[in-house]
Amino acid sequence: EAGVAQSPRYKIIEKRQSVAFWCNPISGHATLYWYQQILGQGPKLLIQFQNNGVVDDSQLPKDRFSAERLKGVDSTLKIQPAKLEDSAVYLCASSSTNYGYTFGSGTRLTVV
Amino acid sequence: AQSVTQLGSHVSVSEGALVLLRCNYSSSVPPYLFWYVQYPNQGLQLLLKYTSAATLVKGINGFEAEFKKSETSFHLTKPSAHMSDAAEYFCAVTDYSSASKIIFGSGTRLSIRP
Repeated sequence: EAGVAQSPRYKIIEKRQSVAFWCNPISGHATLYWYQQILGQGPKLLIQFQNNGVVDDSQLPKDRFSAERLKGVDSTLKIQPAKLEDSAVYLCASSSTNYGYTFGSGTRLTVV
Repeated sequence: AQSVTQLGSHVSVSEGALVLLRCNYSSSVPPYLFWYVQYPNQGLQLLLKYTSAATLVKGINGFEAEFKKSETSFHLTKPSAHMSDAAEYFCAVTDYSSASKIIFGSGTRLSIRP
């Protein structure tokens, strides 16, 4: 089966600019997650979708981050405006069961 | 909330030596536990998972982990290290409030000496 697709792979932006990441989960996976992985740390959950509804966004900085999953398939994560501390790898994952995800390769964001 | 602690941010072993990566979890209920591996510039790959069946779990690439409730541990081992095992390893646990939300440890970087 095809894996979780993410784009772009790399992005460099200046602080205060906007950026968007895209994720296409494995076909049929109802649950989709966005994680933020800062260098030297473990991934931190930003938001969890079940189909097109939000299950958990308690760790999402809602003043600058937003995410949507239209039609319960693809998802986009947006940062507006970006800060230096947003530099990280943004990982998308999908799951069809409760125990085990499939991760995409991630988008490495550098904010300068 | 549940959490995991990985002891040692960096572990270095010689090729052919035993690999031991330590993970302890905090939980008041039986958890579900995972080990993931991350190679440079790649996403996370599931090595193995414990879901309350056998306490000794075998995974891919010759890795295994043993769930020890008395020690609240889930250490990852491999009898003989290969150069290709050099990567970042993450222990993870499900959050009791939502079985599908996985919480990761801070990671252990494994280096292999020739």
